[in-house]
Formats: sequence, C-alpha cells, structure tokens
Amino acid sequence: SQQGEEDPQALSIQEGENATMNCSYKTSINNLQWYRQNSGRGLVHLILIRSNEREKHSGRLRVTLDTSKKSSSLLITASRAADTASYFCAPTPNQGGKLIFGQGTELSVKP
Amino acid sequence: KAGVTQTPRYLIKTRGQQVTLSCSPISGHRSVSWYQQTPGQGLQFLFEYFSETQRNKGNFPGRFSGRQFSNSRSEMNVSTLELGDSALYLCASSLELQPNYGYTFGSGTRLTVV
Repeated sequence: SQQGEEDPQALSIQEGENATMNCSYKTSINNLQWYRQNSGRGLVHLILIRSNEREKHSGRLRVTLDTSKKSSSLLITASRAADTASYFCAPTPNQGGKLIFGQGTELSVKP
Repeated sequence: KAGVTQTPRYLIKTRGQQVTLSCSPISGHRSVSWYQQTPGQGLQFLFEYFSETQRNKGNFPGRFSGRQFSNSRSEMNVSTLELGDSALYLCASSLELQPNYGYTFGSGTRLTVV
C-alpha cells in the first residue's frame, strides 16, 4: 500500500503569511489528493492532482507534484485563522487500492 | 445534495459489548470506505466496499467487520469491544473505486469504550 508522509509535522504561522506543507511517497501513483481535517471532524477533500500534472490551483491553494522526486507540496497563500487544521496527503497508486494517510501536518494560524 | 451521513455521532459502550455504526453515502455513490482515527495511530484504513462487495481490507482483527447494502448504505460492526477501540470512525464515499475527484467524508462517529 502507498502512504504519504507529510512534513513538517507541525507548523505555526501568523495570519496573512503563506503556509507550505510537503508530502513524499514511495511508489508510482495515479493521482495525489490533499485533505483538511478540523479538530475532531471529518476530512474535507481540497484538491486532486493527476500524475501527468505538475501544478494545480484552487482559490488560495496551490499544489505541485514532482513524480521524479515522488513528492508534492501544498501552499496556502494569505492564510487565515480558519485555515487552522490538520492537512493530509493521500497518494493513489497506479494499480488501484485504498488511500493510506500519513500523520498529517498540523497547521496553526494565529490571528 | 446531502453529504455523507454517519450515525450515531457519539456512542459510549462497555468493554465486551458489540457496536454497529452506519454510513449513508452521497446519493449515487457506490464506494464506501471506513477509517479509524486515534491520537496514537492516526488514520487507519479499515475496509472498502463497492457494489456490496468488500474490495480492500486493512490490518484489523476479525472483530471488525462490515457490509454494504444494495442501496450503497454501509454498516460496520465491532464485536467484543476493547478499550483500544475508542476512536473516531470515519466513513468516506465516492462514485467509483478509484475516483478522479476524491472522496467525501462524513463527520464521523465518536466511539468511547469504558
């Protein structure tokens, strides 16, 4: 099974700053997904990037994918206190299979 | 359209009892996955169902089981509960097994075993 490893484990920034989280994985993927989880709640799907894409934007989110390095990054620009949450990446393998989540990055945005 | 609905939201059970959790996916979604989330182990995959068939299974003991009905609703059952089963149980649904747009999660069932 494929597991994403997020880095850093925790990130604390001020409102208005940018936040960058990284994800590494081990095997070939079909796509890679990012999810957000507010404390004690379900996960919310943020963005999906396919293996043949290098960059994708959605509002204040920007995701990059480097399949040669087996890594992805999630950038949140102009962060807000409401962005405080845990962020998880989930690589989806080529041969199908379940999503395996890493430990996530805990983002804290201070007003 | 309605999201993924998990019931109940909260549950307190005693060691040794059994529990059944329910998940109603988004209308039209045929794939339902279950996850267990604990502070120590993080998010762990339990199983995935598609068109009433279990397609994938995680590394959990046989006390954890599930099923999916013809209307795609899914239930998971945990028998002989242990204190370590206390967790947030999350259900996720998608149209297909390997979706191109991600999964939609429910708000979870918080199970406490005392």
